[in-house]
Order: sequence, then C-alpha cells, then structure tokens
Amino acid sequence: GAVVSQHPSRVICKSGTSVKIECRSLDFQATTMFWYRQFPKQSLMLMATSNEGSKATYEQGVEKDKFLINHASLTLSTLTVTSAHPEDSSFYICSASPSGSPGELFFGEGSRLTVL
Amino acid sequence: AQSVTQLGSHVSVSEGALVLLRCNYSSSVPPYLFWYVQYPNQGLQLLLKYTSAATLVKGINGFEAEFKKSETSFHLTKPSAHMSDAAEYFCAVGGNAGNMLTFGGGTRLMVKP
Repeated sequence: GAVVSQHPSRVICKSGTSVKIECRSLDFQATTMFWYRQFPKQSLMLMATSNEGSKATYEQGVEKDKFLINHASLTLSTLTVTSAHPEDSSFYICSASPSGSPGELFFGEGSRLTVL
Repeated sequence: AQSVTQLGSHVSVSEGALVLLRCNYSSSVPPYLFWYVQYPNQGLQLLLKYTSAATLVKGINGFEAEFKKSETSFHLTKPSAHMSDAAEYFCAVGGNAGNMLTFGGGTRLMVKP
C-alpha cells in the first residue's frame, strides 16, 4: 500500500518556540492532505485540509495563525505550531490520498509534541 | 453532515472469544466507511473499508464488517480474539470522495488471557 511518513515522530520543545512537523507521501502524489489532532485517550479531530498550491482550509475553532500549514508540493505538507504552549501538546497525525482515488486515505505514523 | 457513534468506549473479551465492536453512522450522502486500528503511540492502520461494493467486507487480521443501510451500522467483528488484537479501534465515515473522514470516539479492546 501507499506510504505516508511523518517527521519527527517525537519532539519536545520549550514554551514559546515553534515546531515544524512534516508529512510526506513517499510513493504517490497527494493534492490533498489532512491534519488531525489527537488528545490522550480521545479520538482524532480534523484540524485542517491542506491543498497543494493553495491555502489550507481550517476547521472551526482551529487557530490558523497558531497552526500554519504549507503544502508546497504534491508530496509534502508541513504543520508549524507557532509559539507553542503546553496546551498544544498532543499527537498530530496527517493523512493523504492519492490524487483521484476516492475512498483511499493513508495515515502517517503520527508526531507526538510535548511542550514544556 | 456526517457523524459516527461507537457504542462502548471499552470492550473486554477473553482470548478466543468473539469480538464485536459497534459503529453507527449518519451521512447525507452514500457513505464510505472505515475501521482503523491504533496501537499505542502509533498512527492508524486500515483494517477494512466499505466503498459501496459488497456489504460484507473482509479486512486484515481476520476482521470483517457488515454494512447495513437500514440500521446505519457498520459493526466490526472477529470470530476469535487474540492477545495481539488489544488496541484502540476507530470507525470513520467519509462522504463524496471519501477522503475527509469523521471519526468515532474510539473503542479500546482489551483481551484477557
């Protein structure tokens, strides 16, 4: 199956710093990628839809200035958590779909962010 | 609009017993339905998916699910639980292209020896 890779898998940072998480589709092109957030023992909540070459679409309640998304190529989307605070600590998961393949979605391994 | 309800946040079964994880959905369009498994600190692994073909879908690791439109359900089953099945399971629904998923709350499956 298709492979989606996230990096880093774990990151610890100090409060006030910015952290970038990368999501790559390794063997297919993805015009659309999705970013989810998962709090401990909870489900995944869609944060935003990342569209190659255009602005991301954010879900209600997600601060677009806090969570910057860039989808500059068909194989890479990045999520930057700006001025991170402890409440931003979470598990962030991306997913991507091969272009033109409905109902197919592949997930990255997730990135655990801990803000001290 | 679409939503997913997983009945039972925790399910405990004995090794070798039947596994039944419940999922009910609502969708304004013909749905795509998915079951994913998540092990601790890992991403999601697709178990199986329904995309309007056969209503009984067979997945990996011996799991299967049946789409029942009249009941708006997509319950996940496995005839005989194994210790390695202990994990978190998520049901998800996608509409239209099926790529934007809405997840249920998850069910933690525990398997007792």
